[in-house]
Amino acid sequence: GENVEQHPSTLSVQEGDSAVIKCTYSDSASNYFPWYKQELGKRPQLIIDIRSNVGEKKDQRIAVTLNKTAKHFSLHITETQPEDSAVYFCADMSSYKLIFGSGTRLLVRP
Amino acid sequence: ETGVTQSPTHLIKTRGQQVTLRCSSQSGHNTVSWYQQALGQGPQFIFQYYREEENGRGNFPPRFSGLQFPNYSSELNVNALELDDSALYLCASSLGQGATGELFFGEGSRLTVL
Repeated sequence: GENVEQHPSTLSVQEGDSAVIKCTYSDSASNYFPWYKQELGKRPQLIIDIRSNVGEKKDQRIAVTLNKTAKHFSLHITETQPEDSAVYFCADMSSYKLIFGSGTRLLVRP
Repeated sequence: ETGVTQSPTHLIKTRGQQVTLRCSSQSGHNTVSWYQQALGQGPQFIFQYYREEENGRGNFPPRFSGLQFPNYSSELNVNALELDDSALYLCASSLGQGATGELFFGEGSRLTVL
């Protein structure tokens, strides 16, 4: 069935270092891959997304890559800052619904 | 500000009771999706409404039901509440059925079942 696996579940980095979160999906019909950031007690907020006809997308310190053949997509955050600390969720959209990964808790140490 | 509003923000119920959660979609959005987010987990799709009809459903029992109104606002109803129903319930609006566009989430309704 539809499934999105996300790794790692927790990630601790030093301020200024890079962070990488990886996801794999199972539905070959998936065509939209958003990433959400969720701070404690808050709603998920879209930070970047990519569509299946694009291999890479960048927005300032955040980038996402997609490998449709391997069914992998990744989030890259460069020059991390303490305010990047949050839970990050990948997701894929098949038909009408988003399937979310289990989340990665990112801690950026000052 | 996404424009998606949910009410109530917090509520406490006891097992067996019924609850209704409400969502107003962002202006111009005709599709509303509901997600359940248990503590420490990713959101799980409950169902989606498009033009007042259920457009798809996740793996949730029939005691989870919903409505969408002509103004595209929506309700989530849960009957016979169970302890495991305790979660953050998120409403998300979007434009178009089966859209591959951004979903705008509300702040959620946190339900505690005792």
